[in-house]
Amino acid sequence: GEDVEQSLFLSVREGDSSVINCTYTDSSSTYLYWYKQEPGAGLQLLTYIFSNMDMKQDQRLTVLLNKKDKHLSLRIADTQTGDSAIYFCAEIPGYSSASKIIFGSGTRLSIRP
Amino acid sequence: AAGVIQSPRHLIKEKRETATLKCYPIPRHDTVYWYQQGPGQDPQFLISFYEKMQSDKGSIPDRFSAQQFSDYHSELNMSSLELGDSALYFCASSSLAGPNTGELFFGEGSRLTVL
Repeated sequence: GEDVEQSLFLSVREGDSSVINCTYTDSSSTYLYWYKQEPGAGLQLLTYIFSNMDMKQDQRLTVLLNKKDKHLSLRIADTQTGDSAIYFCAEIPGYSSASKIIFGSGTRLSIRP
Repeated sequence: AAGVIQSPRHLIKEKRETATLKCYPIPRHDTVYWYQQGPGQDPQFLISFYEKMQSDKGSIPDRFSAQQFSDYHSELNMSSLELGDSALYFCASSSLAGPNTGELFFGEGSRLTVL
């Protein structure tokens, strides 16, 4: 997606933390999402954060939101081989319906032994 | 928990043929969305339905049509298929009436290959 930007690739060592970054465009976005897509599979909703939150933690996942800089990050602690996938950041601008969801280009996370 | 079910998972067609994809949303979800994801690309919104009525339209070609039935399942009909229609087609569902109205749940996708 041209309005949500992510780096294309990230390589981390197994057991390390992975941090995937995303910048979005609409400061009025209400919902910001992280989806995971394994090879040949569908989009799995990992987590989402409401725009009035700065941080959300869910087991190994930590989402940080910097509204001032329109920056969203996903941290995966203790990265495992099963975390290898493409991670999409997504936003729903303003008060639009979910049909207006805008995806980033996806970050391909690869794990080194 | 029940998820979004799509069928078929894989489909191979030839140019100018017709294809139909089916989507069964999560029970009690009232909204269905269709997305197209080309190779190496992010998903692009095609069309959505709310309570069996078309609610929004994205970059859906005129050769494609879709509808949502009384049991809330949806079908995407694609005619005069072109090579460029080869893609992964996702269906997603959500509930506008639920507590988490921003959540969008995706199916596993239907991979269409046009030869």
